[in-house]
Amino acid sequence: DAGITQSPRHKVTETGTPVTLRCHQTENHRYMYWYRQDPGHGLRLIHYSYGVKDTDKGEVSDGYSVSRSKTEDFLLTLESATSSQTSVYFCAITRGTASTDTQYFGPGTRLTVL
Amino acid sequence: GESVGLHLPTLSVQEGDNSIINCAYSNSASDYFIWYKQESGKGPQFIIDIRSNMDKRQGQRVTVLLNKTVKHLSLQIAATQPGDSAVYFCAEIFSGYSTLTFGKGTMLLVSP
Repeated sequence: DAGITQSPRHKVTETGTPVTLRCHQTENHRYMYWYRQDPGHGLRLIHYSYGVKDTDKGEVSDGYSVSRSKTEDFLLTLESATSSQTSVYFCAITRGTASTDTQYFGPGTRLTVL
Repeated sequence: GESVGLHLPTLSVQEGDNSIINCAYSNSASDYFIWYKQESGKGPQFIIDIRSNMDKRQGQRVTVLLNKTVKHLSLQIAATQPGDSAVYFCAEIFSGYSTLTFGKGTMLLVSP
């Protein structure tokens, strides 16, 4: 899994509660990404980061925020979870120095919002 | 929970057969393409990539073919094994942007 860990691996929460997912990498990569994966939609980019405190929105960023206060951690927060955010969330990194290099993925977090 | 494999086109083959998985990409300006394999309950795993200045690239038991004229990418797996059963999807990158665009995937089922 390219030195990437995600926590928690599984979470069940209730609508309206805040949720934070953590992505941790051990190889000092500059670029980190958060995706969600849903049947019929494939992988969709939520947010990405190109350095500490440098982040940008992806295709499906509404309802999500991110933070990157240190190189190794990229946090995804759902401020007030909704049932439509039930999904599998993947973190990815780029090993190269360019954002257009191959992305490598973590093991995923399965989130269920009741 | 619902599997990512639902709603996907499926290719069923016998062990030992060669498999061909196809992908149509969307952006004629894309200049880098990647194939990923995703097993149930796991994250996508890099298989092979190809730049747009190439039309073929070979790896171990896998070959990727790129036809830019019709915006088509294929992944050929030789001597398919049960362990190859997974969802396969392609991704394209246009170097003018910083993100990948992923296809929805094909499920490969290999029978012993």
